Amino acid sequence: QQQVKQSPQSLIVQKGGIPIINCAYENTAFDYFPWYQQFPGKGPALLIAIRPDVSEKKEGRFTISFNKSAKQFSLHIMDSQPGDSATYFCAASPRNFNKFYFGSGTKLNVKP
Amino acid sequence: EAQVTQNPRYLITVTGKKLTVTCSQNMNHEYMSWYRQDPGLGLRQIYYSMNVEVTDKGDVPEGYKVSRKEKRNFPLILESPSPNQTSLYFCASSLMPGVAGELFFGEGSRLTVL
Repeated sequence: QQQVKQSPQSLIVQKGGIPIINCAYENTAFDYFPWYQQFPGKGPALLIAIRPDVSEKKEGRFTISFNKSAKQFSLHIMDSQPGDSATYFCAASPRNFNKFYFGSGTKLNVKP
Repeated sequence: EAQVTQNPRYLITVTGKKLTVTCSQNMNHEYMSWYRQDPGLGLRQIYYSMNVEVTDKGDVPEGYKVSRKEKRNFPLILESPSPNQTSLYFCASSLMPGVAGELFFGEGSRLTVL
């Protein structure tokens, strides 16, 4: 069974829109929550990550919101651009980073 | 250039024919790991290695073997491939477990088992 549940499976937005991707987990041992971005034909690359001691982290146009009590976290992309079109994976890892559990992925298409 | 290199990038093989997918990193990373990516399932961890000579199972280790004889290399071995191992495989490395969590991925190896 999937340890990290991600939705939606796909998302289409217009340029300038704010796509939101959601993830949920159950295991309270998870201590590190990264988001990875993957372009076709490439490996995933780290986009942004958060630890559970903060509720929000922002890097450029990308923001993670984290709700520890609900065991949910989400990625917001402000002022989305066609170049943001990619597949996004959320993930979770325990404190020692030995195992990573990935969501099923969200394919984002930003239309010009 | 800092990178994780996988070979081959594409491979078509037949059931039962042993194969090895190589992975090498030039970043002096302690941690290395293998994942398979399947539609609708995301990335699932096959095996990982915290450092040389130390390996452990991930979530889907059945049918795979690994070895970590030196820091930079972490080959994935399929002793007797079967069609359900048709997938896109990624090798990843990380600087130091427990300190830095960022995974650096290779570009993937697409394997088809007929």
